[in-house]
Amino acid sequence: SQKIEQNSEALNIQEGKTATLTCNYTNYSPAYLQWYRQDPGRGPVFLLLIRENEKEKRKERLKVTFDTTLKQSLFHITASQPADSATYLCALPNSGGYQKVTFGIGTKLQVIP
Amino acid sequence: DGGITQSPKYLFRKEGQNVTLSCEQNLNHDAMYWYRQDPGQGLRLIYYSQIVNDFQKGDIAEGYSVSREKKESFPLTVTSAQKNPTAFYLCASTTREGFSGNTIYFGEGSWLTVV
Repeated sequence: SQKIEQNSEALNIQEGKTATLTCNYTNYSPAYLQWYRQDPGRGPVFLLLIRENEKEKRKERLKVTFDTTLKQSLFHITASQPADSATYLCALPNSGGYQKVTFGIGTKLQVIP
Repeated sequence: DGGITQSPKYLFRKEGQNVTLSCEQNLNHDAMYWYRQDPGQGLRLIYYSQIVNDFQKGDIAEGYSVSREKKESFPLTVTSAQKNPTAFYLCASTTREGFSGNTIYFGEGSWLTVV
């Protein structure tokens, strides 16, 4: 089965800087990859989806890249704000079918004013 | 507003008791899911259902049971057989048509604590 690796250590950055989070996966080639945001004690909220034939996707201050050769996705938040502080999860469909999705453990981002 | 409603938000269970977590959605989604989240671990799939009156075990189904009698509802029962039930439980849903890339919508979660 596929394995998803996200940096489980918290990422602290200064307000205004660009935050970059990494999601690595192994064992297969997913057709797409998703990123979600989760605030403490809340359910995750969908942010972006990128498909295997897309190199990059943008939404406002968010940018996601998808390198199927490296089996890696990078999630960038430009001009970061304290309100961006949360845990960010990447998610991939299970191999062999899309009925199930596997989530990484998430990276906690703290934006310092 | 459309969304997923989980209840209760906080629940305490005594040893040997079964408890049921409620999940209702008004998004007209066919597929519904239950995940469990523990500190330091990702979301783990307990059960999922793609259509009414049908459901499949996820990765950690032991000690749990579900039903799907209505499209809108997917309750989860945590039985006494689940030895370590203290966790944050998340219900989710998505459309069934072309699963590829569909957004998963989550409820606000339920905290279950064994006392």
